[in-house]
Amino acid sequence: IVLTQSPGTLSLSPGERATLSCRASQRVSSNYLAWYQQKPGQAPRLLIYVASSRATDIPGRFSGSGSGTEFTLTISRLEPEDFAVYYCQQYGTTPWTFGQGTKVEIK
Amino acid sequence: EVQLVQSGAEVKKPGESLKISCKTSGYDFTAYWISWVRQVPGKGLEWMGKIDLTDSFTMYNPSYEGHVSISADKSRTSAYLRWSSLKASDSAIYYCARHVHRGSASSASGFWGQGTLVTVSS
Repeated sequence: IVLTQSPGTLSLSPGERATLSCRASQRVSSNYLAWYQQKPGQAPRLLIYVASSRATDIPGRFSGSGSGTEFTLTISRLEPEDFAVYYCQQYGTTPWTFGQGTKVEIK
Repeated sequence: EVQLVQSGAEVKKPGESLKISCKTSGYDFTAYWISWVRQVPGKGLEWMGKIDLTDSFTMYNPSYEGHVSISADKSRTSAYLRWSSLKASDSAIYYCARHVHRGSASSASGFWGQGTLVTVSS
């Protein structure tokens, strides 16, 4: 399953809303779709699993939605620490695959 | 506290073998699968395969099957990624990652090691 993320780069200011898209080439089984945040020099951090469930200790400003082939990660109000690269991953069908990433940068 | 601590950076020559480790602590080792994920610096993430720590059953991404081997040692609560013959294209950062859901083969990865940088160059 190929995951296509858009946009490639999102330039926003702190306090603004970020909407990231992840489109799958075929249906994601059981909506097993996760979102990860990665900062330079760090391992990825799980934000969302099963499309819309927030992982432990993830702030409420992060939310996931969607089903089937269309998924969205929304950050309601960007904090300075949210500027990073975000990846979606499907883990419903092997081989599991990741999207190419969306970079959220400070405008 | 759940921790996954990986072995240090490696510099190898093409054709050499290598085994990197992922030492876990803070949870029931056999209760959660572990995946291995590859990342060329500055590029995206690729899932390589996963292992069930109850019986060391493994599943691989076809892109990596036959080139790498995933294993585990319950006595050391550690997982391993091994190459028998490295190529320059194996140069990357390798992460181990523990699944979120107990006993589930299909689960997001909620706990990650710090990564092991492997450099293969003649």
